[in-house]
Amino acid sequence: DAMVIQNPRYQVTQFGKPVTLSCSQTLNHNVMYWYQQKSSQAPKLLFHYYDKDFNNEADTPDNFQSRRPNTSFCFLDIRSPGLGDAAMYLCATSSAGGSYNEQFFGPGTRLTVL
Amino acid sequence: AQTVTQSQPEMSVQEAETVTLSCTYDTSENNYYLFWYKQPPSRQMILVIRQEAYKQQNATENRFSVNFQKAAKSFSLKISDSQLGDTAMYFCAFMIINNDMRFGAGTRLTVKP
Repeated sequence: DAMVIQNPRYQVTQFGKPVTLSCSQTLNHNVMYWYQQKSSQAPKLLFHYYDKDFNNEADTPDNFQSRRPNTSFCFLDIRSPGLGDAAMYLCATSSAGGSYNEQFFGPGTRLTVL
Repeated sequence: AQTVTQSQPEMSVQEAETVTLSCTYDTSENNYYLFWYKQPPSRQMILVIRQEAYKQQNATENRFSVNFQKAAKSFSLKISDSQLGDTAMYFCAFMIINNDMRFGAGTRLTVKP
């Protein structure tokens, strides 16, 4: 089945230690998104890639970076995680130009910062 | 800027009964999409139902239907014959075509046996 995969599902890191979260998709969608979701809150868009074009939200901290080496993969790098970065990180994809622009979400990676 | 408001942080319903979750939004755009997403505990977010703003007919998907009032900028979700598996966070979302999706704060729905 076509899907959005996130690895790992649970990630523990230490304060200030860089961490990378990964997302892959078999949907061949040209848009990939990274969201941060804190407990009982709405997902907050961090940035997205439209093909190779990177689009950063204005309020996304510089501590968060992203890479998209090819259509299928997208990475979220947190350079120096703080306690406030503990959250669920959701990856989503969509097909720009499609009929409904529906976003398909992965299961998320829950990040714990010690 | 587009905003989405879900005024009910938590709701509960008895199994087999009907519940309505409310959502309002603010935009000056005329063409846009509205969505309801479901996020079960510890599981991924999935689309429940979508509505195109240019369509007057309310969308339905089995037990799920919406009441879309464009002039009032209201987009409520009705769940009929509630099932235990409907227990989840429900997010209302708004999107201008090919633009970013904006989510409401969510409504936590509990279906009680």
